[in-house]
Amino acid sequence: NAGVMQNPRHLVRRRGQEARLRCSPMKGHSHVYWYRQLPEEGLKFMVYLQKENIIDESGMPKERFSAEFPKEGPSILRIQQVVRGDSAAYFCASSPPEGVGGYTFGSGTRLTVV
Amino acid sequence: SQELEQSPQSLIVQEGKNLTINCTSSKTLYGLYWYKQKYGEGLIFLMMLQKGGEEKSHEKITAKLDEKKQQSSLHITASQPSHAGIYLCGADDSGGYQKVTFGTGTKLQVIP
Repeated sequence: NAGVMQNPRHLVRRRGQEARLRCSPMKGHSHVYWYRQLPEEGLKFMVYLQKENIIDESGMPKERFSAEFPKEGPSILRIQQVVRGDSAAYFCASSPPEGVGGYTFGSGTRLTVV
Repeated sequence: SQELEQSPQSLIVQEGKNLTINCTSSKTLYGLYWYKQKYGEGLIFLMMLQKGGEEKSHEKITAKLDEKKQQSSLHITASQPSHAGIYLCGADDSGGYQKVTFGTGTKLQVIP
């Protein structure tokens, strides 16, 4: 019973490139959440998605960031034209449809922008 | 939105000692979660509390939610080096779904 799978674990991008972070939720989980953890800071909510729907993107930066959770395949967090300030750990979590019992987190993707 | 304050921000204890981490909310908590994060890794779910006055234990870790549901504490008995890490409390944002807002975290070091 695989947990939440995130890949890649580490990603290095040059300024101006695009970063794509993938998240496969646990089996049976249809809710996906993305969080960002900046160095020495706490976890900040970015976006909450269900299959083919963005439910809450109140934590997403207005520009360059987008997220999707297609009918088939993993959820994708996309960052266009990355800047040094985007360097952080990005965590994905999933929960079951009934939404009870706490998130299960992935191991995160550590993005470094050089 | 929910604001959670954790105290202390960091903690160094001798192995075998007890310790308590606090989490205080600016609003009534609809659900309170405790997670542990090992340095450089993901978060591990510890416990969830929902009812005022609720208390749960797992091995040497006990978490409580006060009657007013605005404060929670995490207590570790007879700490071990394996308890070291960052402890995060998280709260339901009461939006009808499970968006969770996290506290600032408490870094725990346990000295052998």
